[in-house]
Amino acid sequence: SYVLTQPPSVSVAPGTTARITCGGINIGSKAVHWYQQRPGQAPVLVIYDDSDRPSGILERFSGSNSGNTATLTISRVEVGDEADYYCQVWHSTSDHRVFGGGTKLTVL
Amino acid sequence: EVQLVESGGVVVQPGGSLRLSCAASGFTFGDFSMSWVRRPPGKGLEWVSLITWNGGSTKYADSVNGRFTISRDNSKNSLYLQMNSLRIDDTAFYFCAKDQISAPSGTNPFDYWGQGTLVTVSS
Repeated sequence: SYVLTQPPSVSVAPGTTARITCGGINIGSKAVHWYQQRPGQAPVLVIYDDSDRPSGILERFSGSNSGNTATLTISRVEVGDEADYYCQVWHSTSDHRVFGGGTKLTVL
Repeated sequence: EVQLVESGGVVVQPGGSLRLSCAASGFTFGDFSMSWVRRPPGKGLEWVSLITWNGGSTKYADSVNGRFTISRDNSKNSLYLQMNSLRIDDTAFYFCAKDQISAPSGTNPFDYWGQGTLVTVSS
């Protein structure tokens, strides 16, 4: 099976930039999607196909993907950005969707 | 407005069975692949199963293969998950999720999710 590795937690101060990584073998060759899940709420798609934003998602959210690491970047972080963030790809060999373990973003 | 509403989550004993439902509205349900994704308490998201637009193809995570069955009724705009031989580690919030693009592709992201329904497996 294909494994996606995320740091369990990332902490930043308000107004700074948060970077959440997602590691996987040759992940740069895959389309990476990112989801935000606030406590008690449904997940929300914030980045798809590495770097595209769905309508309604702020420009503060951006993504990149190269080599063995994909990155979700949140600029000018706000307290309201506190949530769990998950990366997700398609593993073609098994034809399964795969999620990373998730990263809890804390805004200090 | 796209809406996905799950139901059917209850407390069930190990070895028991349960059927979850997801009622869809606000889009042409029969055009899109649909999935179930779960989140156990204190853990991360886990993709469980997918069904293509017409039910012609289904996929399952290894952890549920042979125990769970996904199905859909496009005339009722509804998605289902039949869960048999339930285990304690099946305890989780179960979400239904819609593929973003109608053309079936594994690379599609999930663009809409329901609020989830809680399944608790406990004796």
